[in-house]
Amino acid sequence: AQSVAQPEDQVNVAEGNPLTVKCTYSVSGNPYLFWYVQYPNRGLQFLLKYITGDNLVKGSYGFEAEFNKSQTSFHLKKPSALVSDSALYFCAVREGGSNYKLTFGKGTLLTVNP
Amino acid sequence: GAGVSQSPSNKVTEKGKDVELRCDPISGHTALYWYRQSLGQGLEFLIYFQGNSAPDKSGLPSDRFSAERTGGSVSTLTIQRTQQEDSAVYLCASSLGGMYNSPLHFGNGTRLTVT
Repeated sequence: AQSVAQPEDQVNVAEGNPLTVKCTYSVSGNPYLFWYVQYPNRGLQFLLKYITGDNLVKGSYGFEAEFNKSQTSFHLKKPSALVSDSALYFCAVREGGSNYKLTFGKGTLLTVNP
Repeated sequence: GAGVSQSPSNKVTEKGKDVELRCDPISGHTALYWYRQSLGQGLEFLIYFQGNSAPDKSGLPSDRFSAERTGGSVSTLTIQRTQQEDSAVYLCASSLGGMYNSPLHFGNGTRLTVT
């Protein structure tokens, strides 16, 4: 069965500093990985995805994520955090085959301090 | 263009009553998903539709929960005899079916409160 772990419930960074939100996954086949962001009282918004190819994926709002197959990780990164990046971030995985279910982690609350 | 639309945005109901939550997906999206978001619990998968059929309904918590989709478009999630533990935000999402790399597009959710 596919699963996702986000080991940190909260991450705090200072504005202008780099940020990392961690994600590890478990699938039996090839992973299809996604990051979503949720702002207060809003639905989830798609940030970026890894399907195949380059291990460094670039997405919306200056975010990027690095796929590491040996460590089964897909950490979200941004070189310079903004206060407006403060939100709840979710990692998700889907494995191939006939199952289109997307399994989400429990989320990481990112707070960027001015 | 129009995104995923969910109604109502908020619903307060008494314990034991039935509720219906509606989802109108993005036009042309054949896949439709229901998730439940509770505080501190992340997103819990409930059910997935491809067209009008539900190949995966493994996440429905009990037989009080059911969902249907008609005309390959609008979906309704029904909770019978609601309990306080059903209180949560119910999120609907749609995507292009048959494509593993297709991201889900989410609605703003229905916040259900059972008193």
